[in-house]
Amino acid sequence: DGGITQSPKYLFRKEGQNVTLSCEQNLNHDAMYWYRQDPGQGLRLIYYSQIVNDFQKGDIAEGYSVSREKKESFPLTVTSAQKNPTAFYLCATRAGTALTYEQYFGPGTRLTVT
Amino acid sequence: AQKITQTQPGMFVQEKEAVTLDCTYDTSDPSYGLFWYKQPSSGEMIFLIYQGSYDQQNATEGRYSLNFQKARKSANLVISASQLGDSAMYFCAMSDNQAGTALIFGKGTTLSVSS
Repeated sequence: DGGITQSPKYLFRKEGQNVTLSCEQNLNHDAMYWYRQDPGQGLRLIYYSQIVNDFQKGDIAEGYSVSREKKESFPLTVTSAQKNPTAFYLCATRAGTALTYEQYFGPGTRLTVT
Repeated sequence: AQKITQTQPGMFVQEKEAVTLDCTYDTSDPSYGLFWYKQPSSGEMIFLIYQGSYDQQNATEGRYSLNFQKARKSANLVISASQLGDSAMYFCAMSDNQAGTALIFGKGTTLSVSS
């Protein structure tokens, strides 16, 4: 089945620890994105990558880091510098750059930091 | 800066009735795309419908239609014949041409369908 996998579904960490969220896709899409969603809010862009070995900061990149070493994978690291890391994190892909292409989303990871 | 506004935090509708979810947008780009997504309580984001800025006709996908009024910068979602399974959060989004065509999202509208 083609799709996007995010693991784990729920993640718990202690404050001060870095944590890496996984995003894997087998859709052969070039573009990948990370969004953050807080309760009752819309999604906000953290990082995006349009091609392997290249990525750009989104609106709320502070305290996060990413890598794009393979087309299929775009892991997100939430560092201890992120002040309010508890949130729902969604990974997305897009087939191309034309405006008509919708984004496909993974099932998300709910991160809780205490 | 581009922006999406959804002014209805919650909407209530009975089964089999139609409902309109409002969305206004702001952009200076002549070329843009508008999207609607559904988010059930499970959290997954489900793509519903797309409208391009140059499309002459309103988009339709089954029970979903998009009422696109370019001059008013509005892109309202119309759901006909509501079903219990339509209860979810609905997000309007616009492509951000400055950020690799990432999406800019509104804050969403919670739709509750009752029998």
